Amino acid sequence: AQKITQTQPGMFVQEKEAVTLDCTYDTSDPSYGLFWYKQPSSGEMIFLIYQGSYDQQNATEGRYSLNFQKARKSANLVISASQLGDSAMYFCALRGDTASKLTFGTGTRLQVTL
Amino acid sequence: DTAVSQTPKYLVTQMGNDKSIKCEQNLGHDTMYWYKQDSKKFLKIMFSYNNKELIINETVPNRFSPKSPDKAHLNLHINSLELGDSAVYFCASSQDQVREGETQYFGPGTRLLVL
Repeated sequence: AQKITQTQPGMFVQEKEAVTLDCTYDTSDPSYGLFWYKQPSSGEMIFLIYQGSYDQQNATEGRYSLNFQKARKSANLVISASQLGDSAMYFCALRGDTASKLTFGTGTRLQVTL
Repeated sequence: DTAVSQTPKYLVTQMGNDKSIKCEQNLGHDTMYWYKQDSKKFLKIMFSYNNKELIINETVPNRFSPKSPDKAHLNLHINSLELGDSAVYFCASSQDQVREGETQYFGPGTRLLVL
């Protein structure tokens, strides 16, 4: 069974500051992928960043980076230089190598303040 | 040039009715999915099709029936709608179903409200 845990239901960050959104996972698959999606209030699901379990380096995509600690089974999303437009729900998701489905966490609502 | 599109965007209907949601992707992907997001924002897989073949069928009531006329389309038909079916339904697609790194791209969602 696969499981994603996001323990922060809500987070606040000031504009221009960095913020870390936590994600831990559990899977028995030998290889797997971890994804982060953003869901703004308009409702669409926007893909942000991907980390493969065998990737040697942490993934980065613009202001987004993934702090991947395989031994601790964590894949935290770091957003640098937060902007007001970053206010949204953020979902961590896991895809194993035995099934193509994504297993999602419960999400973290991020609010960026002035 | 919407990559994954869904119609309708909003659907309000009475209990007991039958309704369909349509999904189309123009990304040339082989695999398509339906996810359900409940009122607490929790997202869960319902179905997945690869090249028109059903590959994932989670524990979903028989009232839900997906249909894939071709690999660019995946429709969801719901019979005898119940109050608990109220949710946002997302269609998604990915290039294939094999690699764990395959990114899934989501449609805008269909907000279904059953009265």
